Amino acid sequence: QKEVEQNSGPLSVPEGAIASLNCTYSDRVSQSFFWYRQYSGKSPELIMSIYSNGDKEDGRFTAQLNKASQYVSLLIRDSQPSDSATYLCAVKDRGGADGLTFGKGTHLIIQP
Amino acid sequence: DAEITQSPRHKITETGRQVTLACHQTWNHNNMFWYRQDLGHGLRLIHYSYGVQDTNKGEVSDGYSVSRSNTEDLPLTLESAASSQTSVYFCASSAGGNQPQHFGDGTRLSIL
Repeated sequence: QKEVEQNSGPLSVPEGAIASLNCTYSDRVSQSFFWYRQYSGKSPELIMSIYSNGDKEDGRFTAQLNKASQYVSLLIRDSQPSDSATYLCAVKDRGGADGLTFGKGTHLIIQP
Repeated sequence: DAEITQSPRHKITETGRQVTLACHQTWNHNNMFWYRQDLGHGLRLIHYSYGVQDTNKGEVSDGYSVSRSNTEDLPLTLESAASSQTSVYFCASSAGGNQPQHFGDGTRLSIL
């Protein structure tokens, strides 16, 4: 069975610092990796997608992927109180239309 | 703007009743998905569809059914609601391949 592991937190980070969120996955054939942000009582919102080894940057967000280590991470620079949310790591197999496998999420708190 | 809408947003019902949750998307996406989200389990895939007349079982499909008669809609039916099906239900859609999924606002279902 496919597994996606995340530290549940809470992860507390001072405002303006870098928040680092980590995720490991069990299935070596996984090809697509996504980070979603979910505020309490709201739906998941796509933050980043990454498909190749290395770093991908989008504004204050950087996703990092290492397929050999089966590891994906999300860095949030200049953290803001509005970044406080649960961050979900999601993994998808090669091709097909089957659904995503989600981690249970990391609760991030940005302290003003 | 394209969107994905779920209805109702909240529902309370009794065990043994049939319940149908609606999902409508205007993205013109072929792929649609239903997930449930529970504390301690994260998001889990219930059913998914590649297109009209196509449906497939996900990780937690027992007690649920879906039908796909057009591109825009994928209703989720609980044939005989059970208290264990109390959850928050999310519908999602994607363009297929490695494209990310976009989520609706969710339905909070309570079964008493």
